[in-house]
Amino acid sequence: DAGVTQSPTHLIKTRGQQVTLRCSPKSGHDTVSWYQQALGQGPQFIFQYYEEEERQRGNFPDRFSGHQFPNYSSELNVNALLLGDSALYLCASSSQVERRNTEAFFGQGTRLTVV
Amino acid sequence: AQSVTQLDSQVPVFEEAPVELRCNYSSSVSVYLFWYVQYPNQGLQLLLKYLSGSTLVESINGFEAEFNKSQTSFHLRKPSVHISDTAEYFCAVSDPLGSGGYQKVTFGTGTKLQVIP
Repeated sequence: DAGVTQSPTHLIKTRGQQVTLRCSPKSGHDTVSWYQQALGQGPQFIFQYYEEEERQRGNFPDRFSGHQFPNYSSELNVNALLLGDSALYLCASSSQVERRNTEAFFGQGTRLTVV
Repeated sequence: AQSVTQLDSQVPVFEEAPVELRCNYSSSVSVYLFWYVQYPNQGLQLLLKYLSGSTLVESINGFEAEFNKSQTSFHLRKPSVHISDTAEYFCAVSDPLGSGGYQKVTFGTGTKLQVIP
């Protein structure tokens, strides 16, 4: 079992550019959540996807958008990058079927640096 | 709204000494509670979780945490730490009763545990 995989591992972008981050959930999981972890901070919830729809959203601007594909993988898109978007972006997967199994499995993250 | 407070940003402790990492939460509903560990340049790994039942939960590597509803706490303890325990530890809370199944996890700001040889 490969667990949750994220790509790329590191990325450097310029202010104003757009970026796409990718996540493949753990086998058997159908729900993907994205988190932003700024340096020295705890992860902050961005949004959650289930059945290819955004189900919940945290306090992030519309520049942050996402998508979930039929195979449950997901993308996080950030437009008009700001220096403050520099962070570790974490993907977590879970299962809606096993409601008692509320453990979220996290990927290794994508380190985004905006210059 | 849920929130998690980890008052200690850094905790230095000598090897083989005991340690307690404090966590308090606030929530208007019942909660699930978690401790995650993050090693440098890595993602989060679940250390232990409280969902229901016994208020004392244990991990496979000697950590334990006790859910105290009256004090809204979920402190993490280990009787004897090892160098390999050096990492950042995050306390987190999730609402099990929300609609749509699995809910978002709200994290604390983390506590860096530094084990001194």
